[in-house]
Amino acid sequence: EAGVAQSPRYKIIEKRQSVAFWCNPISGHATLYWYQQILGQGPKLLIQFQNNGVVDDSQLPKDRFSAERLKGVDSTLKIQPAKLEDSAVYLCASSLDSDRSSYEQYFGPGTRLTVT
Amino acid sequence: LAKTTQPISMDSYEGQEVNITCSHNNIATNDYITWYQQFPSQGPRFIIQGYKTKVTNEVASLFIPADRKSSTLSLPRVSLSDTAVYYCLVGEGRGSTLGRLYFGRGTQLTVWP
Repeated sequence: EAGVAQSPRYKIIEKRQSVAFWCNPISGHATLYWYQQILGQGPKLLIQFQNNGVVDDSQLPKDRFSAERLKGVDSTLKIQPAKLEDSAVYLCASSLDSDRSSYEQYFGPGTRLTVT
Repeated sequence: LAKTTQPISMDSYEGQEVNITCSHNNIATNDYITWYQQFPSQGPRFIIQGYKTKVTNEVASLFIPADRKSSTLSLPRVSLSDTAVYYCLVGEGRGSTLGRLYFGRGTQLTVWP
């Protein structure tokens, strides 16, 4: 079974530029998550999709971050414009849509973003 | 969601059993306890999940006392490859917050030869 795919793996941009990350979840997983992980901290949930609808985006900085999941499969996360404090690893995860198994989330390798 | 407290770091030697304890004093009736493992430059990986008593799988055991205010992840006979950050999470199994996970800083386990 293929895992969660993310691209790119690394990205370096200057502040005020824009950047986009792509995620392809495990086939059949209805729920998709984007996390931000700053060095030395645990991952922080940014947004959660169930199929192509948003379930939770309470921690997404909506003035600069946006995400979409068209057709309920792939997803993109965009930052526009980027700030220095956005430097982090952006993790995508997916899970089956049921009560207990939703805690078994499958994470991708992440995209390491450096904003200079 | 219940807040969790776990040690920042632990050290062990190869072949020893490691027990990492997590406190979650405000755990709610519907909350499950889940542990994840994260290696450098990788995303977290699910290890084990439980509600009460003891759960065991091929990787670890999870001990949960009757009051459920704490839990202990037990790793038998660790090896160097078990060096990682271990996260304890508590969250609801039902409702609108389905699937939401709050990660703390985790416990950095270092296994020495």
